[in-house]
Amino acid sequence: AQTVTQSQPEMSVQEAETVTLSCTYDTSESDYYLFWYKQPPSRQMILVIRQEAYKQQNATENRFSVNFQKAAKSFSLKISDSQLGDAAMYFCAYRSANSGTYKYIFGTGTRLKVLA
Amino acid sequence: DAMVIQNPRYQVTQFGKPVTLSCSQTLNHNVMYWYQQKSSQAPKLLFHYYDKDFNNEADTPDNFQSRRPNTSFCFLDIRSPGLGDAAMYLCATSNSLFPTRQGYNEQFFGPGTRLTVL
Repeated sequence: AQTVTQSQPEMSVQEAETVTLSCTYDTSESDYYLFWYKQPPSRQMILVIRQEAYKQQNATENRFSVNFQKAAKSFSLKISDSQLGDAAMYFCAYRSANSGTYKYIFGTGTRLKVLA
Repeated sequence: DAMVIQNPRYQVTQFGKPVTLSCSQTLNHNVMYWYQQKSSQAPKLLFHYYDKDFNNEADTPDNFQSRRPNTSFCFLDIRSPGLGDAAMYLCATSNSLFPTRQGYNEQFFGPGTRLTVL
């Protein structure tokens, strides 16, 4: 069975600085998707960024980028130029690309605090 | 805008009194999910539907049931809520049929329903 591990329960970053959130996963599959979701306090969970395992190039979305290391089974999220609105719980998630599999496996989350 | 809608946003029920939470979507996604999320924890999958095919998680209590009468709607029934069932309940959808559509194999979440059990 696949597992997702986020080893940092909480992180802090100064506004305008850069922070990296860690995620590791375990799978025997070769084709899968990885995601970072953001859940602000009392607000809706939204997708931040996704990565297809077959793509070697790291995904980027504006200030958000990932460092995807397939061999190491590592998928970290880098937030550049941190803003107060980035404060939230961040969940790393895995989804198999196998046909007939529709479940998402979440890590335990990292709470990000942004200091003014 | 296409979205996932959950009603009500806040629900208060009494211990043992049945309650139904609802979810609707305008995304026309074929897969719908129900999660339970307790404070500062990861969402815990209760069950999901692939179209009308129901898939229950092995550790989901029998107290939790679900219905999906059509593509757009999905309901979570808690037959006899206990104090331990107080949580945020999240509905999510996913498109797993059309790879060329935006958001293929991503999950879209509703705002959640916060359930309080007195």
